[in-house]
Amino acid sequence: AQKITQTQPGMFVQEKEAVTLDCTYDTSDPSYGLFWYKQPSSGEMIFLIYQGSYDQQNATEGRYSLNFQKARKSANLVISASQLGDSAMYFCAMREANTDKLIFGTGTRLQVFP
Amino acid sequence: DVKVTQSSRYLVKRTGEKVFLECVQDMDHENMFWYRQDPGLGLRLIYFSYDVKMKEKGDIPEGYSVSREKKERFSLILESASTNQTSMYLCASTPEGSYNSPLHFGNGTRLTVT
Repeated sequence: AQKITQTQPGMFVQEKEAVTLDCTYDTSDPSYGLFWYKQPSSGEMIFLIYQGSYDQQNATEGRYSLNFQKARKSANLVISASQLGDSAMYFCAMREANTDKLIFGTGTRLQVFP
Repeated sequence: DVKVTQSSRYLVKRTGEKVFLECVQDMDHENMFWYRQDPGLGLRLIYFSYDVKMKEKGDIPEGYSVSREKKERFSLILESASTNQTSMYLCASTPEGSYNSPLHFGNGTRLTVT
């Protein structure tokens, strides 16, 4: 069965520093997608970045990059040059090709301080 | 832009009431999902639907049912609300057969059962 684990309930980072949010997953399907979402205090779910299981290169979107280590089954989110507006909950999620379900981790609350 | 609209932002109901949470999407997506979000537990899948009148149980379907009579609308039903169903409920949609496509979320319904 598919499973997503986020072991960091909370993280602090100083403005302008980089931060890594951890995510490990488990699946027996060779075809899958990994997603990161941001949820600010307003509650909306904002899609940040996607990595496919067959992608050779790590995904990047602006200040977000995904450190994809397939053999270790990890898909860590790296936020460079943190901003105060990055303070939010961050969720890692996975979707297998043989099912349309998106399964989420428990989330990491990131707080950026000046 | 895809729009997923949940009919209520906040809802307060009494124990034992029948509760309907409505969700409408405007992008002709085949797949629709209902999640509940609780602190420390992340998002957990209640039910999803991959076509009109088709539904599948997610990880926590007990105490819930769903209805999908039209492609754009997916309703979550609490047959007899209980206090342990107090939670944030999130609806989402995505095209069929697109495990690499992100889910598009509504803004959520915060349900309180007293």
